[in-house]
Amino acid sequence: ETGVTQSPTHLIKTRGQQVTLRCSSQSGHNTVSWYQQALGQGPQFIFQYYREEENGRGNFPPRFSGLQFPNYSSELNVNALELDDSALYLCASSLIMESYGYTFGSGTRLTVV
Amino acid sequence: QKEVEQNSGPLSVPEGAIASLNCTYSDRGSQSFFWYRQYSGKSPELIMSIYSNGDKEDGRFTAQLNKASQYVSLLIRDSQPSDSATYLCAVKKAAGNKLTFGGGTRVLVKP
Repeated sequence: ETGVTQSPTHLIKTRGQQVTLRCSSQSGHNTVSWYQQALGQGPQFIFQYYREEENGRGNFPPRFSGLQFPNYSSELNVNALELDDSALYLCASSLIMESYGYTFGSGTRLTVV
Repeated sequence: QKEVEQNSGPLSVPEGAIASLNCTYSDRGSQSFFWYRQYSGKSPELIMSIYSNGDKEDGRFTAQLNKASQYVSLLIRDSQPSDSATYLCAVKKAAGNKLTFGGGTRVLVKP
């Protein structure tokens, strides 16, 4: 049990649609990070949220956006879906001053058709 | 040049042998180094972390770090078929900072 839960586990969307993925942080963690992992590649950093503010962003367009709530849960929103957005989306929670490696949730597999 | 590089494999090892995985990184500001194991269709699982030069052992796993040469390696002793997975190397510059991953090395342990 990782303590980080993601929903849904699988999702199929049509190109051009919008999607919202959800993540519940591990208890006590104040930071959440989102990663995209395309098939056969390593995870790529999308962005990180700390105290409900974006705290770093990777090389992803503005149609990728996020929210962090007061209870530290988080959402990843993707607008105008493209076929290349098909990937495993991973969420990890942590403490901001922590040097340790992240523990990931089980991920959401998004397929865009 | 990618920030974190790994051979994609597959690295095929017989059961009981030692699997040796390598990873190089480009940013000398990197401070923390991690190895994740990922089974097909699953999320990455943290198996080793190392922060200072030298070796760190945990069960059948040994991580080795050489900051001067900018590489980190993972040894898996007495490899088992259950070790067949993709192993991801990841680095972090500072506390709270993002993880940067390599592309992963696929390991196949043959009975």
